[in-house]
Amino acid sequence: KQEVTQIPAALSVPEGENLVLNCSFTDSAIYNLQWFRQDPGKGLTSLLLIQSSQREQTSGRLNASLDKSSGRSTLYIAASQPGDSATYLCAVYGNTDKLIFGTGTRLQVFP
Amino acid sequence: GAVVSQHPSWVICKSGTSVKIECRSLDFQATTMFWYRQFPKQSLMLMATSNEGSKATYEQGVEKDKFLINHASLTLSTLTVTSAHPEDSSFYICSAPGLARSYEQYFGPGTRLTVT
Repeated sequence: KQEVTQIPAALSVPEGENLVLNCSFTDSAIYNLQWFRQDPGKGLTSLLLIQSSQREQTSGRLNASLDKSSGRSTLYIAASQPGDSATYLCAVYGNTDKLIFGTGTRLQVFP
Repeated sequence: GAVVSQHPSWVICKSGTSVKIECRSLDFQATTMFWYRQFPKQSLMLMATSNEGSKATYEQGVEKDKFLINHASLTLSTLTVTSAHPEDSSFYICSAPGLARSYEQYFGPGTRLTVT
């Protein structure tokens, strides 16, 4: 059974710091991994999608890497801003045809 | 890009009543849709897979008689919470997969259900 864990569970940093959020999964047989952002009381915003054949994806200040063999992904946020404050979720899609979500990281960036 | 809508965005109902939530793919067809539930400060948990033209597949521990799913067409899936109780209060989100090659999931904005 696929299990997805995110570390840390919560993070509070001053504005301007570079951040690394971690995601690990137990079954490396995945098709892709997605990173999402969720604001309080809101739905999901897709940030980055990494296919199993890819090593990383970049969008603006965000960079996500994937090491499928070791079951790990990292989301790197450069020059963090208060507007980045949200919960970040990773999710893996595998041969069960289901998207399995991680436990989430609650990020707060203060001015 | 692919857009998924949900209706209503929030609903308050009395204990014992039933509530229907709609999930629509607006600009693409979806033979499969997924329903998730999210409790406060927790992650999303998959409840069931909705299949157009056949019965839904429920995850372990989800009562299929309580959470009725109907995939009426290639663009619409509905989740009906029957005989709702306060413990059913939660955030319900649906998703639909995009192109088969990418397996990317597109999510609706969610429905906040409060049972009083």
